[in-house]
Order: sequence, then C-alpha cells, then structure tokens
Amino acid sequence: DAGITQSPRHKVTETGTPVTLRCHQTENHRYMYWYRQDPGHGLRLIHYSYGVKDTDKGEVSDGYSVSRSKTEDFLLTLESATSSQTSVYFCAISDPTRTSGRYEQYFGPGTRLTVT
Amino acid sequence: GENVEQHPSTLSVQEGDSAVIKCTYSDSASNYFPWYKQELGKRPQLIIDIRSNVGEKKDQRIAVTLNKTAKHFSLHITETQPEDSAVYFCAASTAKGNEKLTFGTGTRLTIIP
Repeated sequence: DAGITQSPRHKVTETGTPVTLRCHQTENHRYMYWYRQDPGHGLRLIHYSYGVKDTDKGEVSDGYSVSRSKTEDFLLTLESATSSQTSVYFCAISDPTRTSGRYEQYFGPGTRLTVT
Repeated sequence: GENVEQHPSTLSVQEGDSAVIKCTYSDSASNYFPWYKQELGKRPQLIIDIRSNVGEKKDQRIAVTLNKTAKHFSLHITETQPEDSAVYFCAASTAKGNEKLTFGTGTRLTIIP
C-alpha cells in the first residue's frame, strides 16, 4: 500500500461538536482528496487539494472544511458534526506530474466516524 | 457534472464462471476509467484502468472494455475464484489536471464455491 495513513481510525462524537480528521502521506504526491463512503452511494468527493494551500470543493462539501499547510498533511474538519455525517471517510492521493501512473488514486485505510 | 451508473448492484456467480459489471457515464469529455476492488473493511484498491484512446485492456483474468460512442465501459473477470468476492467500483474522470473521480455505486460480487 502507498504510504498513506489516517487518524483517528475510529471516532465516536456527539452532535454539535467539532471533529478533525487527518490524512498523512509519505509519497510526496501533489493531489490529496477526501471522500465519504455510504451504503448505496459509493464514494463521493468532499474536497480535494492540488497543492499546499490550494483546495477546492467536491460534490458533497457542505458542512466540511479542509486545510493543507504541508504537502504531506490534509485535514478534514466538521465544524459542527451532525448525524448525517456518520460515515466512513477515505483520504486518497495522486500525482499527475508523474511520468507513469499519473491518473491513479491511492486510498488510505479509512476513518469510521459515528455522530450520536 | 459527471454521473456514473453501475449495474448490477449485486452479482453471484459460480466459481470458475465469468462475471461482468457494467457502467455508463454521462460526460463525453471523460477519458480515464479506473476500477477499484474493496474487500470488507478494507480500502479501495485499483485493479485496472483504461484511457479513452484504448478500447480494451487485459491483466491476467481481468479485462476492461470501453465503448466511447455509447459511453459505457465494463469489467470482465474470467475463471472467478473465491478471493474475487468483494465490492467493485467503477469511476470516470476527465483527467484535465485535477483528476477528480466520479464513482459508481458499487457491485457486490459473491463467488459461490
């Protein structure tokens, strides 16, 4: 597996509390992504980053914010968690500047978040 | 934006038989089509991908075909084995530099021994 880690791996939190998930990579890939995975919906893009301090929204970005201050770290924040944000969150990386495998995305192990 | 539909949602085949999963996409500008395999409790893993300048690609027992005119692509697994049991996702991307993937909703493949 590519050098991608996510923390925490499991979290239970209460409605209304802030939550931050961390994605860390050791591959020096330029792009990083946050997806959520829910039954019947597959993987849906929340936000992505195409460089340090460069981020953009995906299809389900409401209620989420991201930050990328270093190449290796991409943070996903739920400012005020809701039960609808209970999900499995996956981070992914890619690097279109590579000469081979430029379009491939590699996923982290996931974080299971439960909002009660 | 792009919309990817995947069928069937569940598929059961006898061990040794072939399995076919189909996806359609809506954006004619899409030019990159990966397939991911996800075992229970694990991360999605890329198993094969195809670019729009190629009609078919094979890797041992796995093949992907692409029909740009009809905007659909398919995953073919031959001589299925129990370890092929997993959820499979197709995806599409315009690959214009941001490489955003739009995923299908997944197919749960069960291989019956």
